[in-house]
Amino acid sequence: DAGVTQSPTHLIKTRGQQVTLRCSPKSGHDTVSWYQQALGQGPQFIFQYYEEEERQRGNFPDRFSGHQYPNYSSELNVNALLLGDSALYLCASSLARGRLNSNQPQHFGDGTRLSIL
Amino acid sequence: AQSVTQLGSHVSVSEGALVLLRCNYSSSVPPYLFWYVQYPNQGLQLLLKYTTGATLVKGINGFEAEFKKSETSFHLTKPSAHMSDAAEYFCAVIVTGGGNKLTFGTGTQLKVEL
Repeated sequence: DAGVTQSPTHLIKTRGQQVTLRCSPKSGHDTVSWYQQALGQGPQFIFQYYEEEERQRGNFPDRFSGHQYPNYSSELNVNALLLGDSALYLCASSLARGRLNSNQPQHFGDGTRLSIL
Repeated sequence: AQSVTQLGSHVSVSEGALVLLRCNYSSSVPPYLFWYVQYPNQGLQLLLKYTTGATLVKGINGFEAEFKKSETSFHLTKPSAHMSDAAEYFCAVIVTGGGNKLTFGTGTQLKVEL
């Protein structure tokens, strides 16, 4: 049973560029959330996708956008990269079963380490 | 807004000693509380969670936590530390009725010494 998989594992970009990170949820899960973890900090919620729509969003600018596909996989896009976007980006999946208020535990991938030069 | 505070960014214990990692929450409605562990260069692994019911929650790897509403706490304990427990530990909260967005604390780095 495959867990949450993220690609790539590492990425180096320069300021002003754009990046796309990818996530495949755990088998059977239908909800994907993205988190940003800066060095030495706890993860910060970016947004959550369910039924191919953004359902919740954290305090992140519009430069951060996403998408969810019919197979539940998801992408995180970041435009106009800034030095401060350097972080570990974590994807988490869960099973909502039609109720986004569910307390179903979220399963995390190993993340994509994004470095901005 | 809901939040969690982890007291002590670094905790050091001897192998075989008690592990106690502190977490206090702030929420105006009954929260769901979680502890996650993160090993170097890895994602987060769920140790245990409290939703409703029994306030003493047992998790994986011998960890447990007790939900104390009167103290707004959810401290993580393990009777006997093992070298393999060295990692970063995060307390997190979900507010009931607020979707399943996790709000994390700043983490506690646990060091286990011989």
